[in-house]
Amino acid sequence: DADVTQTPRNRITKTGKRIMLECSQTKGHDRMYWYRQDPGLGLRLIYYSFDVKDINKGEISDGYSVSRQAQAKFSLSLESAIPNQTALYFCATSGAETTAYNEQFFGPGTRLTVL
Amino acid sequence: KQEVTQIPAALSVPEGENLVLNCSFTDSAIYNLQWFRQDPGKGLTSLLLIQSSQREQTSGRLNASLDKSSGRSTLYIAASQPGDSATYLCAVRGGNEKLTFGTGTRLTIIP
Repeated sequence: DADVTQTPRNRITKTGKRIMLECSQTKGHDRMYWYRQDPGLGLRLIYYSFDVKDINKGEISDGYSVSRQAQAKFSLSLESAIPNQTALYFCATSGAETTAYNEQFFGPGTRLTVL
Repeated sequence: KQEVTQIPAALSVPEGENLVLNCSFTDSAIYNLQWFRQDPGKGLTSLLLIQSSQREQTSGRLNASLDKSSGRSTLYIAASQPGDSATYLCAVRGGNEKLTFGTGTRLTIIP
């Protein structure tokens, strides 16, 4: 079984709709991240969380919100989706600072299309 | 602001050849550098991670080097195989938790 899973894998929605992307991990890691990937722009960090009570904005958090429901679960919400949020979204995890040099492990991605 | 560049954006080589992928970054104050592989429709697979104090890391046919002072890293792939075809991404981590990614090199191995 995959260590980091994301649901759904693909989603098509309409402008103005609220959607949630979910991420679960079985690696026992404290740290979780949400990225988006756009052609020609690389991956950019949206939000990250060091533990259940710690949430931090990344470089492109506008229009997004997150919820860390448990150590193993980190959800990303688009309150009112817009077409320029069409992208490939990745969840990632990493251990504590001194664990394996903070290597990040990624889920399979969610392809989101906003019409 | 850290910027990571990967050149070329695409590379095609015949099977069996050795090849080098390049990554450069503008701020040498990094904590580590990580190389990933991305296959279509799949997530990122971590290949190698080099700490800032290290010069290189090896895993099988892969060898990654790091020259922090010059802001460069290379990923060497020996005896390339068609299964190596993928997009290769490098990412650097600064003093905070953030990884800054390059835009990748799309590698095609020609049988």
